Amino acid sequence: DQQVKQNSPSLSVQEGRISILNCDYTNSMFDYFLWYKKYPAEGPTFLISISSIKDKNEDGRFTVFLNKSAKHLSLHIVPSQPGDSAVYFCAASARDNDMRFGAGTRLTVKP
Amino acid sequence: SQTIHQWPATLVQPVGSPLSLECTVEGTSNPNLYWYRQAAGRGLQLLFYSVGIGQISSEVPQNLSASRPQDRQFILSSKKLLLSDSGFYLCAWDGTGAANYGYTFGSGTRLTVV
Repeated sequence: DQQVKQNSPSLSVQEGRISILNCDYTNSMFDYFLWYKKYPAEGPTFLISISSIKDKNEDGRFTVFLNKSAKHLSLHIVPSQPGDSAVYFCAASARDNDMRFGAGTRLTVKP
Repeated sequence: SQTIHQWPATLVQPVGSPLSLECTVEGTSNPNLYWYRQAAGRGLQLLFYSVGIGQISSEVPQNLSASRPQDRQFILSSKKLLLSDSGFYLCAWDGTGAANYGYTFGSGTRLTVV
């Protein structure tokens, strides 16, 4: 079953604008959420995470928001840069157990 | 449609026993296939990848090995499991066709060595 869902397979934004990538989950036991970034021909690399005790975590241009009541999280990239073009995976885990991954969203930032 | 299957979902094995985890993909040909292990801190550690039948690249020295006996089959094995082999293992497929642009992860296998 798809416990972590990324319903948008692709997203295109203009350089300098905000990119918003969304992720929904179904398992209320998830307590830790991560975003991975993947370039072509490379493996996914960790980007940013958030614990369920928080609703926001910021790291430079990247901010992750968590809405537990809606079982929804989002990744904001501001300002978007062409180098941000990649596939972004949302992942979630419960009590330090196994991660479940979404299907990914391909972000294209146009110069 | 393209899908990836990984099994078993959970496995409990005694120390010293052999291991075989299987991953298969459907709906594509000549996929790039990967075995990951969930590392400490919830990161992902790449163990093996394969770009074709019989072609295996190892990223980390392990008590594990991998094989690609068929185009759409990738197997993670061990002759004798160690306690430290316990963990969560993920198979992934790198879509290379025009309609595919990233990874698809399998559902994972939780291995507990006792």
